[in-house]
Amino acid sequence: QQQVKQSPQSLIVQKGGISIINCAYENTAFDYFPWYQQFPGKGPALLIAIRPDVSEKKEGRFTISFNKSAKQFSLHIMDSQPGDSATYFCAASISGLGADGLTFGKGTHLIIQP
Amino acid sequence: KAGVTQTPRYLIKTRGQQVTLSCSPISGHRSVSWYQQTPGQGLQFLFEYFSETQRNKGNFPGRFSGRQFSNSRSEMNVSTLELGDSALYLCASSLTLQGTYEQYFGPGTRLTVT
Repeated sequence: QQQVKQSPQSLIVQKGGISIINCAYENTAFDYFPWYQQFPGKGPALLIAIRPDVSEKKEGRFTISFNKSAKQFSLHIMDSQPGDSATYFCAASISGLGADGLTFGKGTHLIIQP
Repeated sequence: KAGVTQTPRYLIKTRGQQVTLSCSPISGHRSVSWYQQTPGQGLQFLFEYFSETQRNKGNFPGRFSGRQFSNSRSEMNVSTLELGDSALYLCASSLTLQGTYEQYFGPGTRLTVT
């Protein structure tokens, strides 16, 4: 079965630090890689996404780094804030009409300590 | 624009019963996908509908079914409920236009089977 492996399961970072979450995928047909943020009692919210034709994408304090040859991608949260404390999910899919759904990683529970 | 809405938000059912969940996508979005979220299995793709047709289906038994109406609203049905069906059921909508693959999630329906 197609898989996306996410690490670490949990992460504690001091306020102002950099949070880094990593994901690895197996299916080379994947061509769309989003990251979602989920707070307790809420649905996942799309944070940022990347296509494999670029190696990095930055939106505010959030950056995705993508390594196509290694089949890995990561989320960096710069200047982490207590409000960033949430569960983060990486995902992958094959885009286009008739594409399969998103395949998610197991999630990373991030705690930002003040 | 209003986001994805799901009703009901919470539901308690007894094993053997059936249940129907409802999802209204973001205005203009024609694709609706359903996901199951559990602590053990994480987020798993159930199925996706586009223009009232099921385009893709995940690895779930036939007890899980859905449909989409002409206004893009979607319903998901689970028959003969089992204890293991207790989960957060999430609906996501997407524009599904060329180059646009973002999926936006609703708050979910928390189903408890006793």
